[in-house]
Amino acid sequence: DQQVKQNSPSLSVQEGRISILNCDYTNSMFDYFLWYKKYPAEGPTFLISISSIKDKNEDGRFTVFLNKSAKHLSLHIVPSQPGDSAVYFCAANPNTGNQFYFGTGTSLTVIP
Amino acid sequence: ETGVTQSPTHLIKTRGQQVTLRCSSQSGHNTVSWYQQALGQGPQFIFQYYREEENGRGNFPPRFSGLQFPNYSSELNVNALELDDSALYLCASSGWANIQYFGAGTRLSVL
Repeated sequence: DQQVKQNSPSLSVQEGRISILNCDYTNSMFDYFLWYKKYPAEGPTFLISISSIKDKNEDGRFTVFLNKSAKHLSLHIVPSQPGDSAVYFCAANPNTGNQFYFGTGTSLTVIP
Repeated sequence: ETGVTQSPTHLIKTRGQQVTLRCSSQSGHNTVSWYQQALGQGPQFIFQYYREEENGRGNFPPRFSGLQFPNYSSELNVNALELDDSALYLCASSGWANIQYFGAGTRLSVL
């Protein structure tokens, strides 16, 4: 049972434009969410996180939005750069445990 | 400060064999988690170790076992390998902040 879903396997965006990556979850016990970026032959790299007490968190070009009522979060990258081309995973952590649940990933391609 | 390192990077085993994967945690981190990532999937939680004790386990059979050592490095052992165990195995360490930092993984192929 996939509790964290990334329904878009791939996304292509022009350099300089906004990239929006989406993630949905089903478990209402999730209260902490993270985004990771993964290049081929490397492990996932932490990008940005958000706690359920917030609805937005920014870090430079990266902003994560959380809509708890819709059980939806999104990662915005502005402006997108070719170096952002990677697979992006969202992950969620419940307030009752230490397990991280990952989505299946979205492959972002930023076209120069 | 060193990051999370895993060894070996690649491994080929045959069905029924046993395998041990190793992970050195990031400096200052006392918690290690192991994940299995099958092709086209996200990482799936196997288990976590905190101060040498198992601290949570995902939906994996008992033939997946682990250890954490006093220096917080860790091992993942898999007995009686099956073809479906072929995957990328990721180790992540974490400290006081609830952020997991990953190694590059060990690619296991079971033939």
